[in-house]
Amino acid sequence: KQEVTQIPAALSVPEGENLVLNCSFTDSAIYNLQWFRQDPGKGLTSLLLIQSSQREQTSGRLNASLDKSSGRSTLYIAASQPGDSATYLCAVIGNFNKFYFGSGTKLNVKP
Amino acid sequence: DAGVIQSPRHEVTEMGQEVTLRCKPISGHDYLFWYRQTMMRGLELLIYFNNNVPIDDSGMPEDRFSAKMPNASFSTLKIQPSEPRDSAVYFCASSFSSGKSSYNEQFFGPGTRLTVL
Repeated sequence: KQEVTQIPAALSVPEGENLVLNCSFTDSAIYNLQWFRQDPGKGLTSLLLIQSSQREQTSGRLNASLDKSSGRSTLYIAASQPGDSATYLCAVIGNFNKFYFGSGTKLNVKP
Repeated sequence: DAGVIQSPRHEVTEMGQEVTLRCKPISGHDYLFWYRQTMMRGLELLIYFNNNVPIDDSGMPEDRFSAKMPNASFSTLKIQPSEPRDSAVYFCASSFSSGKSSYNEQFFGPGTRLTVL
């Protein structure tokens, strides 16, 4: 059974710092991997989708990488801002389009 | 597109009552997912559909829970009878697949916050 782990569970950094969020998965037979952001009391917002044939995807200050063989993905956030404070979740997509979610990393960016 | 639409946004009910949650996926999407989120258990997949057909309902906690998708633009999640431990935020999400090897982004609705007293 696919298991997705996100470390750390919580992270607090000063504004302007570059940071990396980690996501690991146990079964490398995945199709895609998706990163989401969730603000308190809100739904999940899609940030980036990396297809299994890709190594990375970039959107603005966000860069996500994927290493299927090692079962890892990272989300790099450059020049963090207080508005980046949220919970970040990763999900791997397996057979039959089934999504497996990690428990998330709660990020706090201090002004 | 308006995105995934869920109703109601908030529901407060008493134990034993029937609750029906509704979802309208993004037009053209062929997958629809129902999730439940709590502080204790995080995000749990309850059931998902492909072209209106249930693919995997192994996450449905009990027979009190049922889900239907009568057409491509509407799905319901029903709890009967409801219990206090069903209190959670229920999310609906949808995605489009252009083929077995090309599963695309999943988009979430705003959720329904259910409180069972």
